[in-house]
Amino acid sequence: AQSVTQLDSQVPVFEEAPVELRCNYSSSVSVYLFWYVQYPNQGLQLLLKYLSGSTLVKGINGFEAEFNKSQTSFHLRKPSVHISDTAEYFCAVKGSQGNLIFGKGTKLSVKP
Amino acid sequence: EAGVTQFPSHSVIEKGQTVTLRCDPISGHDNLYWYRRVMGKEIKFLLHFVKESKQDESGMPNNRFLAERTGGTYSTLKVQPAELEDSGVYFCASSQVGRGYYGYTFGSGTRLTVV
Repeated sequence: AQSVTQLDSQVPVFEEAPVELRCNYSSSVSVYLFWYVQYPNQGLQLLLKYLSGSTLVKGINGFEAEFNKSQTSFHLRKPSVHISDTAEYFCAVKGSQGNLIFGKGTKLSVKP
Repeated sequence: EAGVTQFPSHSVIEKGQTVTLRCDPISGHDNLYWYRRVMGKEIKFLLHFVKESKQDESGMPNNRFLAERTGGTYSTLKVQPAELEDSGVYFCASSQVGRGYYGYTFGSGTRLTVV
């Protein structure tokens, strides 16, 4: 069965510091991976996705993620965060039936 | 283009009552999905429509939940009767057929509170 583990439920960080949000997955089929972000009082927005090809994926708002097959990871990174990045971030893998399987989410809190 | 629209945005009902949530997908998106997030837990898949047909409803928790998609356009999710454990945020998402792996467009969700 496919699954996603987000290792940190909350990540506090100071503004302009780098951040890494960790995600590990389990999948026995072709791997399609996603990161979504939910800003307060908004819906889920696609940040970036890995379908195939280059293992380093760049997304919106300066975020990037690296697909590591041997470590079954898809960690999300940003070199310098802003207050406006405060949100909840969800890692997801595409399930065998076409639906998305999500992790529990990581709340990123950026402090001034 | 207009995004995925869900309403109401919030609903507070008493245990035993009925609630109907509505989702309007992006025009032309034949795939429509419902997901739910119970507090503190993962966002979980409920069901998937292709046009008006239920493609996969394996995530529906029990027969108190009924989803419909009239004419392959908007969809409704009815909970009858509602229980306390049904509280959570219900998300709808849509995508074009054959392009689901690019990621779906989600609505803002409906926050359901059963008291």
